[in-house]
Amino acid sequence: GENVEQHPSTLSVQEGDSAVIKCTYSDSASNYFPWYKQELGKRPQLIIDIRSNVGEKKDQRIAVTLNKTAKHFSLHITETQPEDSAVYFCAASSGFQKLVFGTGTRLLVSP
Amino acid sequence: SQTIHQWPATLVQPVGSPLSLECTVEGTSNPNLYWYRQAAGRGLQLLFYSVGIGQISSEVPQNLSASRPQDRQFILSSKKLLLSDSGFYLCAWSAGLNTGELFFGEGSRLTVL
Repeated sequence: GENVEQHPSTLSVQEGDSAVIKCTYSDSASNYFPWYKQELGKRPQLIIDIRSNVGEKKDQRIAVTLNKTAKHFSLHITETQPEDSAVYFCAASSGFQKLVFGTGTRLLVSP
Repeated sequence: SQTIHQWPATLVQPVGSPLSLECTVEGTSNPNLYWYRQAAGRGLQLLFYSVGIGQISSEVPQNLSASRPQDRQFILSSKKLLLSDSGFYLCAWSAGLNTGELFFGEGSRLTVL
């Protein structure tokens, strides 16, 4: 089955810096790659996703890139703000019915 | 609009006792339903998912079970809890066919003593 690895496990940046979180997946049939953000004490929520027919997708300060050949995808956050502090999870799926998540990255943005 | 309810929010149970966590979804029909467990350092681990009434797929061998007695109801159970069952359990739903977005419940924190 699918296996998703996520790095780093923790990431500390200064406000205004960029943050990059990387994930690799094992199943070459995977074609859907979402990213979820979980603020402290809250439920995870989808922030951006990408499908395998697209190499990059951007939504304001966040972007996701996908390299199908290397089987890795990354989340990029520019101009980080303290409210970006949260745990971020990547995931992969070969269909919409079952997502396999990475182990999460705790992002801390210091003012 | 669609909503998802999950209860109880917190639960403290002795080893060997039974477990029942319940999840219901409102405002949609025939959702895909999921149970995830969130443990420190292990992310979100898929336990069970269901694409319809009575249809349950198990992802991790363990002493937990799931049932879907109604279209929008998903139950996580155990006959005898283990210490290792402690964790944060999240129910989720998705529309399935054309989107993979998961909508999570607020979670149930289980402590087994």
